[in-house]
Amino acid sequence: DVKVTQSSRYLVKRTGEKVFLECVQDMDHENMFWYRQDPGLGLRLIYFSYDVKMKEKGDIPEGYSVSREKKERFSLILESASTNQTSMYLCASSRDVAQHFGDGTRLSIL
Amino acid sequence: GIQVEQSPPDLILQEGANSTLRCNFSDSVNNLQWFHQNPWGQLINLFYIPSGTKQNGRLSATTVATERYSLLYISSSQTTDSGVYFCAVDYRGSTLGRLYFGRGTQLTVWP
Repeated sequence: DVKVTQSSRYLVKRTGEKVFLECVQDMDHENMFWYRQDPGLGLRLIYFSYDVKMKEKGDIPEGYSVSREKKERFSLILESASTNQTSMYLCASSRDVAQHFGDGTRLSIL
Repeated sequence: GIQVEQSPPDLILQEGANSTLRCNFSDSVNNLQWFHQNPWGQLINLFYIPSGTKQNGRLSATTVATERYSLLYISSSQTTDSGVYFCAVDYRGSTLGRLYFGRGTQLTVWP
């Protein structure tokens, strides 16, 4: 089975902090994705990556950046956290189209 | 981009009842997935179904790509079926592999 691991289930940070969310997959998948989920809005794509050191903007990239230095790891960075970035963050990976998700990180920005 | 609409937005059932969830999409798709998000937030793959019909236990799904819709059937529902069901599509006008999600159907099954 595919295993996608997110570093934290729950995280509390303060406004203005630089926040790192880590995601690791163990199936040698080329594609990795970061989403955020808010009530009533479903999942919205922040950034995705098709290969090491490559990244593409999704629908809501503002306020975020990403890093993919190794194939198995995809990091989401909140450069200066704000309260409107309080949300559930989900990481996914895929080889073709079928995406497999991590358990999510509930991030609260105070 | 493509529009993905799910209905109904909310569904409340008694244990043992059957239900049908619908997903309409506005453009031709390469692929379609159904997911279940449990009350703990975990998103689980149910079906990868660009066309045709698949069954897995009490769940089955049908996608009619030419008419741009998919249906998820849940038979003899159980309390553990509660959660949010998402449909997501990879459409032909987009970068391959990127999924577009509907807003989900919130299912509550009472004992």
